[in-house]
Amino acid sequence: ETGVTQSPTHLIKTRGQQVTLRCSSQSGHNTVSWYQQALGQGPQFIFQYYREEENGRGNFPPRFSGLQFPNYSSELNVNALELDDSALYLCASSFHGQGKEMIAKNIQYFGAGTRLSVL
Amino acid sequence: RKEVEQDPGPFNVPEGATVAFNCTYSNSASQSFFWYRQDCRKEPKLLMSVYSSGNEDGRFTAQLNRASQYISLLIRDSKLSDSATYLCVVNELRGYNKLIFGAGTRLAVHP
Repeated sequence: ETGVTQSPTHLIKTRGQQVTLRCSSQSGHNTVSWYQQALGQGPQFIFQYYREEENGRGNFPPRFSGLQFPNYSSELNVNALELDDSALYLCASSFHGQGKEMIAKNIQYFGAGTRLSVL
Repeated sequence: RKEVEQDPGPFNVPEGATVAFNCTYSNSASQSFFWYRQDCRKEPKLLMSVYSSGNEDGRFTAQLNRASQYISLLIRDSKLSDSATYLCVVNELRGYNKLIFGAGTRLAVHP
């Protein structure tokens, strides 16, 4: 097991609603990344949090937002849900180093995901 | 053009077969390379990192050719338990740690 936990495991929402997904990172890791995986696709990078700030963002609209807490856990919030938001949402934890350490320790470990269905 | 491209498969092979997966990436500045394995409706799990010198882990061998921006994975002596989707992954490390995934190649090993 990776030690990365996500909750809830499954969620059903309707269009226009808001959702919050949660992630606890692996011990010793300080960075959390969120990915969206639609059926039949590879995961797509949403954003990454380091030191409680967004550290990088993929091609997702502002209604996708997040938080990181002092214990390195994280939340993903999605407002005004759309049908196309139905997907597996994956959280990955890693250690953010500097320079060569970043390259050496950049492996990301994934949680089991939250499967979101928007009706 | 997709940032990471893989043959979608599926590859249907008998137990004991050797199977090869190929992958190309578009950004020559990419710095780290991986193969992840994903079982049906589960999370991706790191199979192995890929180095320019090539690396092997038991029945699995990975190769990287930076000049042609090409990554490969070879599985020898396939087992039923190897059935999964194999994801080619690139990390650009542009100040933050962003993984770029291919769409995955599905492998089905049959008796």
